[in-house]
Amino acid sequence: GAVVSQHPSRVICKSGTSVKIECRSLDFQATTMFWYRQFPKQSLMLMATSNEGSKATYEQGVEKDKFLINHASLTLSTLTVTSAHPEDSSFYICSATRGSDGYTFGSGTRLTVV
Amino acid sequence: QKEVEQDPGPLSVPEGAIVSLNCTYSNSAFQYFMWYRQYSRKGPELLMYTYSSGNKEDGRFTAQVDKSSKYISLFIRDSQPSDSATYLCAMSSGGSYIPTFGRGTSLIVHP
Repeated sequence: GAVVSQHPSRVICKSGTSVKIECRSLDFQATTMFWYRQFPKQSLMLMATSNEGSKATYEQGVEKDKFLINHASLTLSTLTVTSAHPEDSSFYICSATRGSDGYTFGSGTRLTVV
Repeated sequence: QKEVEQDPGPLSVPEGAIVSLNCTYSNSAFQYFMWYRQYSRKGPELLMYTYSSGNKEDGRFTAQVDKSSKYISLFIRDSQPSDSATYLCAMSSGGSYIPTFGRGTSLIVHP
C-alpha cells in the first residue's frame, strides 16, 4: 500500500525561528502533495497544493511568504514555517496522491512555538 | 451552510455495538466519497473509498452513499475499543480530486 512519511513528528521551537517539515511518499510517485493544518477537534484545513517542479497553490488566507512549500521531486515536499509565532502552533499534516485512488496521509507534525 | 456537515460527537458505545456515523453534504457534484480514521495525534488513514451511490463492505465496515439525499454513512459492526478514534468523511467531485472534509466524529467504544 501507499506510504507517506512525515518528519518530524513533534517539534518545539522558539518564537522567530523557522521550522522545516518533510513529507515523503515512500513507495510511489506522488503527482500532487497537499499540506493541511488541524486545530484541536477541528477538521483538516487545506493550506496549499503542490505539484513537483511548480509553485504551490495556496488557499485563500494562507500566507505564502510565511508557509514556504517546496516540491523538489515526485517523492518529497517540504513545508517551512518561517519566523514562527505561538499562533502558528498546530498540527500540520501532509498527504499525497497518485491520482484517483484516494489520498494517503502522513502521520502529522505537532508544532509548538514558545 | 458548510459543504460537508458532520456531528463532532463524542459518540460513546459499548463494545460489540453497531456504530452508525453520518455526513450530509450540499454539493451535488461530489462523486467520490471517503471515510478516514484518525487516532489522537496521528494522520488520518483511509478506511473506505466509494464512487457514486451504493454500498461497499470491507470486513466490519460498511459504507453507504445516498446521492439523492446527499447523505453518506459508515457502519461499524461488532465495535471494539480499538475502534475508538475520530472518523472523518471526505468527498470530492469528478473534476477535482481535492477532497472536502467533515470536521470528524469522535467515537469512544468502552469495554
